[in-house]
Amino acid sequence: DTAVSQTPKYLVTQMGNDKSIKCEQNLGHDTMYWYKQDSKKFLKIMFSYNNKELIINETVPNRFSPKSPDKAHLNLHINSLELGDSAVYFCASSQAYRVAGELFFGEGSRLTVL
Amino acid sequence: GQSLEQPSEVTAVEGAIVQINCTYQTSGFYGLSWYQQHDGGAPTFLSYNALDGLEETGRFSSFLSRSDSYGYLLLQELQMKDSASYFCAHGSSNTGKLIFGQGTTLQVKP
Repeated sequence: DTAVSQTPKYLVTQMGNDKSIKCEQNLGHDTMYWYKQDSKKFLKIMFSYNNKELIINETVPNRFSPKSPDKAHLNLHINSLELGDSAVYFCASSQAYRVAGELFFGEGSRLTVL
Repeated sequence: GQSLEQPSEVTAVEGAIVQINCTYQTSGFYGLSWYQQHDGGAPTFLSYNALDGLEETGRFSSFLSRSDSYGYLLLQELQMKDSASYFCAHGSSNTGKLIFGQGTTLQVKP
């Protein structure tokens, strides 16, 4: 049973389109995150939510809009996609947002913008 | 600012021991973590040091010296499957935010 699952695994789309990535965790964790990993493997936090409340918004362009309908789900919608948005997007969760130790990552969603 | 420095690549042979160093700068420190990521896979948690000293988990150990802003991951009895990228990360605030280093690619050769 997958702990953190995200869909789709691959997205290929044209510039200017809008796309969404969904994430679900069945670990009972309170906190969920979106990280972006670029082609140089650099992992950068984008957002975190604790129990549906936004905790971290790491100066991401407002074309990116996270939504957390409940604490087990955190989705990411991206408007007006740009070439520079091509990356692997990882969803992650942790037991509580004040615990900076262990994150559980999903398998990633590889976004390619043409 | 907040940053972590680690070597970009390390090569070692099967059965050997390798140490991956990590130095960091941060205005607030909430522990040092290590993650492993195989090509095409998800980062997976290896270890976490909140206090100075050595933490051992099987073949992997992690060390932290807060006074030196330094830590390392020690991998013993290297196996081919240990070929992966290894990231150090520190908690920079009490919001659970993890800042990752740029990763060290470990290549294990026969």
